[in-house]
Parts: sequence; C-alpha cells; structure tokens
Amino acid sequence: QAVVTQEPSLTVSPGGTVTLTCGSSTGAVTSGHYPFWFQLKPGQAPKTLIYDTFNKHSWTPARFSGSLLGGKAALTLSGAQPEDEADYYCLLFYRDTRVFGGGTKVTVL
Amino acid sequence: DVQMVESGGGLVQPGGSLRLSCVGSEFSFSSHNMHWVRQAPGEGLVWLSRIAGNGYDTKYADSVKGRFTISRDDARNTLSLQMNSLRVEDTAVYYCAGESGGNFHWGQGTLVTVSS
Repeated sequence: QAVVTQEPSLTVSPGGTVTLTCGSSTGAVTSGHYPFWFQLKPGQAPKTLIYDTFNKHSWTPARFSGSLLGGKAALTLSGAQPEDEADYYCLLFYRDTRVFGGGTKVTVL
Repeated sequence: DVQMVESGGGLVQPGGSLRLSCVGSEFSFSSHNMHWVRQAPGEGLVWLSRIAGNGYDTKYADSVKGRFTISRDDARNTLSLQMNSLRVEDTAVYYCAGESGGNFHWGQGTLVTVSS
C-alpha cells in the first residue's frame, strides 16, 4: 500500500505564507490522485478545504489554495490567521483505495 | 443539514469482535461512496475501508483486510463495520464519512478501546 508523506509540523507568522506538501511513495502526485485537503481541530470533525487538487468549497477561506508543486500536492496558506492553527491532512486516491498523509501540525506564531 | 452518527464503540479484549454502526440523515447512502476512517490517540487519520454507491464494491486498507467487513443497509440508511480479531493497535476513534460532491460528511466518531 502506498505511503503518503507530509511535513510533521510547520510554523507560520500571523499574516505570513506557508506551503504544505503531500507526496506519494509511488511517484509523482497527479490530478489523477484527486488530492483532498482536510483541516482538523481538537474536538471537531475534519473539514474539507480543498478537493480534486485545487477546488474549494463555499466555506473554504480564500487564503487557502491547492495546487501541484514539484511532483506533490500542495496546500498554500497566504495571510495566516490565528484560527488557522490546526492539523492538516491530505488524502490521495489510488484506484479504489484512499490513503491519508500523516498530517501537518500548523502553528501560527 | 447532513448528519452522521456513529455508535457501537467500547472496550473489548484483544481477539474480540465489535460492530460499529453509522446512521445518516439528510444524506442518501445508496447514492454515494461511504468510508470508515480512524484516528488512534495522538496519531493521524487512517483510511480503513470504502463501500461504493452500488453497495457491492468494497475496498480495505491492508491493515484491516481480512479482519474488518464494511456493509450497508440502504433501507435504514445505515453503514456498518464488523471488526474481528481486534488488536491493541486497533484502539482509536472510528469515523464514518459519506463522500459527495467533493466533500466528506463526517460523524463525531466512536471510541474503540482494545485492552485486556
């Protein structure tokens, strides 16, 4: 089964920009992996931020954006806010299975 | 609003079995892929299993293949996960999630503790 890798932790200053990445042990991540990005805060259910690489939902703050970058899926947070401090998980589709990354803890400090 | 409510968690001894259920409202299970995901204490999300909208096609993560079985009762809009041969490392909060329109609708989870 594929292994999906994310940075364990990242720190960003308020108002700053940070990019989270999501790599695959099978090779380059492509649009065919339909990358999803979820935000998870303590005591809450995960929230879908990005689907199919770069698509946003109506509740996704404009400061979040998804892309493919250097063979990985990427989530960029531009203009970080204190409320963005959370764990972020990517999810990749492999044929009919799904694999989550290990998650990135983002600290806004 | 879409709601998913899991139940069936609890304490079970290693080698034991447990059956989790997830009831949905404002969301038709029969039209969508349904998933089980878990999060062990202090760990990340782990995808476990998926049942397709047709109700027949099922897939599993290697870690639970042969031990867990996903199923669905469309008449009751209920998703189930039969868990056998449970191990200490299966201790986690288990979430059901319905996939629709680029979104996953999640429940609040049910805690499964495997311990002697």
